[in-house]
Amino acid sequence: TQLLEQSPQFLSIQEGENLTVYCNSSSVFSSLQWYRQEPGEGPVLLVTVVTGGEVKKLKRLTFQFGDARKDSSLHITAAQPGDTGLYLCAGAGGGTYKYIFGTGTRLKVLA
Amino acid sequence: NAGVMQNPRHLVRRRGQEARLRCSPMKGHSHVYWYRQLPEEGLKFMVYLQKENIIDESGMPKERFSAEFPKEGPSILRIQQVVRGDSAAYFCASSPVTGELFFGEGSRLTVL
Repeated sequence: TQLLEQSPQFLSIQEGENLTVYCNSSSVFSSLQWYRQEPGEGPVLLVTVVTGGEVKKLKRLTFQFGDARKDSSLHITAAQPGDTGLYLCAGAGGGTYKYIFGTGTRLKVLA
Repeated sequence: NAGVMQNPRHLVRRRGQEARLRCSPMKGHSHVYWYRQLPEEGLKFMVYLQKENIIDESGMPKERFSAEFPKEGPSILRIQQVVRGDSAAYFCASSPVTGELFFGEGSRLTVL
């Protein structure tokens, strides 16, 4: 069974601080995605990474896929209150498009 | 281009009743996924369907739960004889061939 563990589970920081969220597994994934979910809404896709070692940037967000394609990280620079939300990683493996979601990191950025 | 549409947004059922949740995928998307989310938790995979076919239902309980995605019309997640433990948010996502998931706003089921 593929499992994705995210850490930390909860994170509360001040506006302007940097943070990193981790997504780890013992399984290899063919692709990995990051989503952000706000209360009462569905998750919204932020990025998809498919190549081991790949780094993608989306404004203040930097995503990295581990070399072995078993883990990923999300780094946010100069966090803002608008970054508040539940961050979810999701991986697909075995040549399928069955995405398994991580346990989630709930981020709160205080003004 | 309308997004993924789920209805109802909120559904209240008494124990033993049936719940039917509907999902209309984005135009041109032939893949549909259903996930369940409990408060303060991540999303648990339930089932993955393509038109008229169930591709993977490994996350769906063997009893009381069923899903379909007919040739015409929305995908339906059906829960028979609901129990309190079925209370959750149920999210549908659709996908083109590329596998990127586009989620609806969810259906929140409350079982009294």
